[in-house]
Amino acid sequence: EAGVVQSPRYKIIEKKQPVAFWCNPISGHNTLYWYLQNLGQGPELLIRYENEEAVDDSQLPKDRFSAERLKGVDSTLKIQPAELGDSAVYLCASSLEQRWGPPHTQYFGPGTRLTVL
Amino acid sequence: GEDVEQSLFLSVREGDSSVINCTYTDSSSTYLYWYKQEPGAGLQLLTYIFSNMDMKQDQRLTVLLNKKDKHLSLRIADTQTGDSAIYFCAESRLMNSGGYQKVTFGTGTKLQVIP
Repeated sequence: EAGVVQSPRYKIIEKKQPVAFWCNPISGHNTLYWYLQNLGQGPELLIRYENEEAVDDSQLPKDRFSAERLKGVDSTLKIQPAELGDSAVYLCASSLEQRWGPPHTQYFGPGTRLTVL
Repeated sequence: GEDVEQSLFLSVREGDSSVINCTYTDSSSTYLYWYKQEPGAGLQLLTYIFSNMDMKQDQRLTVLLNKKDKHLSLRIADTQTGDSAIYFCAESRLMNSGGYQKVTFGTGTKLQVIP
């Protein structure tokens, strides 16, 4: 079974440029997460989707970040315009969850390492 | 907000036991987790424990939870060089508005296994 796929793996851009990351979750997983991981830190949740619905985007800086999960499968995360402080690894994860149930394993992709110059 | 703290670094000799510690602040945590991250890879769930348990064992891994002190530990028996990685502690709490578990990760402990 294929794991969570992310592309690109690496991206170098100049500040003020736009950038987009793509994630393909594990087939059948209804829940998709985007995390930001700064160097030497743990992942921080940016947005959580249940199917097409963003159920938690409280940590997403909405002035420059946007995300979508059309058809409840693949997702894209966009930054426009990028700033120097956005340099980090952007992780996507997916799981099969039921509301009010116990948590299920989040499967992580390898991440996209973004460098903003 | 919720905080999950870990020491930054641990070095052990191959064959010894490793103990990675974690403290958290959220008294409403329902599950506690340990994840492993190898270089250039995403996180991999190793094990998790329900907050009303105090111990869970899974092969070489033993998780101990002291809920009173909000302290979680991961013991790796017979540590191997392949165990070298960053280990993240995490906790989750139930979001009543949505019925899902919101996970907060610690800062990670880098485990170095010396041959």
